[in-house]
Amino acid sequence: EVQLVESGGGLVQPGGSLRLSCVASGFTFSDYWMHWVRQAPGKGLLWVSRINNYGSATSYADSVKGRFTISRDDAKNTLYLQMNSLRADDTAVYYCARGGVRAAFDIWGQGTMVTVSS
Amino acid sequence: QSALTQPASVSGSPGQSITISCTGTSSDVGGYDSVSWYQQHPGKAPKLLIYEVTNRPSGVSNRFSGSKSGNTASLTISGLQAEDEADYYCSSDTTITTWVFGGGTKLTVL
Repeated sequence: EVQLVESGGGLVQPGGSLRLSCVASGFTFSDYWMHWVRQAPGKGLLWVSRINNYGSATSYADSVKGRFTISRDDAKNTLYLQMNSLRADDTAVYYCARGGVRAAFDIWGQGTMVTVSS
Repeated sequence: QSALTQPASVSGSPGQSITISCTGTSSDVGGYDSVSWYQQHPGKAPKLLIYEVTNRPSGVSNRFSGSKSGNTASLTISGLQAEDEADYYCSSDTTITTWVFGGGTKLTVL
């Protein structure tokens, strides 16, 4: 079964850091671009970041650029999101998603909740 | 990185058809044939419904169809069913290798 499972969410104080993980199974992880997408409580989806299948190219939404870093370990079938200098408006469910055909997000994880609050 | 524009809500009765629009610019929707659509039920992860403007993944009902004209893409759901009640999002990549979503549309089946 093709599956993505996120972990690492939790409660963190403003200015703190957190690292999210996303473990892939059921497909050849190294063949695919991967993304992080977030959804604040009661709000819509917001694309956060992507990494190509070689790990050599990344891009970020303006709202997280310079604070978040996406990376991958193909040997562990794992995608990461290092989040630094967290702010209250980073509070959201964070989903990892597989980059499918022509920019579509074809497989999604169940999400992990990040709450930034003092 | 402005969000694509979708209506906040639409509604329809069982058996009817509805259309949700998604308006962007020439730097995203209008510039590429990479518009996709997602369905999200409360508390669940989004699910891919349409990719490359018009294509359905295996297992998605043919009641869902997509189209595009200029900077506006559309999702049509025909033969509305109660289980179609959900939030719907469009998405596109952009000229600067980022992605953008629409604000989301809440579909109510009356």
